[in-house]
Amino acid sequence: DVQLVESGGGLVQPGGSLRLSCAASGFTFSSYGMTWVRQAPGKGLEWVSGISDSSYSTYYADSVKGRFTISRDDSKNTLYLQMNSLRAGDTAVYYCAKLIAVADESDYWGQGTLVTVS
Amino acid sequence: QPVLTQSSSASASLGSSVKLTCTLSNGHNMYIIAWHQQQPGKAPRYLLKLEGSGNYNKGSGIPDRFSGSSSGADRYLTISNLQSEDEADYYCDTWDSNTRVFGGGTKLTVL
Repeated sequence: DVQLVESGGGLVQPGGSLRLSCAASGFTFSSYGMTWVRQAPGKGLEWVSGISDSSYSTYYADSVKGRFTISRDDSKNTLYLQMNSLRAGDTAVYYCAKLIAVADESDYWGQGTLVTVS
Repeated sequence: QPVLTQSSSASASLGSSVKLTCTLSNGHNMYIIAWHQQQPGKAPRYLLKLEGSGNYNKGSGIPDRFSGSSSGADRYLTISNLQSEDEADYYCDTWDSNTRVFGGGTKLTVL
């Protein structure tokens, strides 16, 4: 079974940094692009960042561009999100997700990790 | 980039059926979308992917009560024989130019 387990969330002051991790299992991690999605308290889902397989390309929402960096270590089956210059507006639950842009493949979500900037 | 529009709320009675709608913006009516369910306090769960033709692919373990259909720019999620555990937020999303776009979500109340 596909499993995505996030870690690294916590309380950080404005301007601070945090690195989230997502440990993946149950599929060939290196063959798939991966995604970070966040959800502010009481709000909807917001796409944050994506990375292609083999780290060939990375993509960011305008709201985090220049502050967040997505990366992956295929030898450890782990996805990362380095978050710098954090703001109160970045407070959210951050989900690691395997969101596949193909009609006949299923998507998968992690359980999320809470980041509070205060 | 496509925009996805969902009603903010919906309600239906236990045991009945409900049809939730996700509408694609002009010029994007052939896009494939995905439906995700988020029960209170939980992470989202993938339900199904839905093409403009109406063909859909469900995730593993998703009950037969969940189905999809399409008409033009509208993508529907129908839940039959509503159960109390179906009370949740439902999000549609699609992809374009290596980004993902989410609808605002529909809060479903089971009466």
